[in-house]
Amino acid sequence: DVVMTQSPLSLPVTLGQPASISCRSSQSLVYSDGNTYLNWFQQRPGQSPRRLIYKVSNRDSGVPDRFSGSGSATDFTLKISRVEAEDVGVYYCMQGTHWPLTFGGGTKVEI
Amino acid sequence: QVQLVESGGGVVQPGRSLRLSCAASGFTFSSHGMHWVRQAPGKGLEWVAVIYYDGINKYYADSVKGRFTISRDNSKNTLYLQMNSLRAEDTAVYYCTTDRWRWGQGTLVTVSS
Repeated sequence: DVVMTQSPLSLPVTLGQPASISCRSSQSLVYSDGNTYLNWFQQRPGQSPRRLIYKVSNRDSGVPDRFSGSGSATDFTLKISRVEAEDVGVYYCMQGTHWPLTFGGGTKVEI
Repeated sequence: QVQLVESGGGVVQPGRSLRLSCAASGFTFSSHGMHWVRQAPGKGLEWVAVIYYDGINKYYADSVKGRFTISRDNSKNTLYLQMNSLRAEDTAVYYCTTDRWRWGQGTLVTVSS
């Protein structure tokens, strides 16, 4: 199985300041069709997760543009340009290239 | 808008069975693959299973293979997860999601004697 490793586990942030989360996969996530199926999810306290980013860098509808994704093959990053209070929660990366699908362990973002 | 409502969770003894349902609305259910994802209390997310739009292709996590069965009824816009031989480690909130990763609110399954 593909192991997804996130860092840090916990990320203290300051409102208005940038934040960055790393995600590394144990295998390349480039699929045979040329796409890289790496997603980022946000789970706010007490809520269901929601997807923020798909295929490395594409924002889902309604996701603020302060969120951005980047990376390739095995190394990926989620960046928040200016953290807002509503960004508190746990962030997960997930690979959709190989079966079984696997999630990273999560990064808790707290003010 | 997309709406997914899970049901069927509860407390069950180890070794027993439970069937979860997920009622879908707001999109063309029969055109989309569907997933089950679970989250143990205080833990991270674990993908459980997927079923393609036509109900033919299915994949499972190793932790549930041979015990859980994913199915769907496109005439009823409903996704199912049949869980047999339940174990304490299956205790979790179970979410259904679309293949574009829209999530339901989840249903809690507790396996305990």
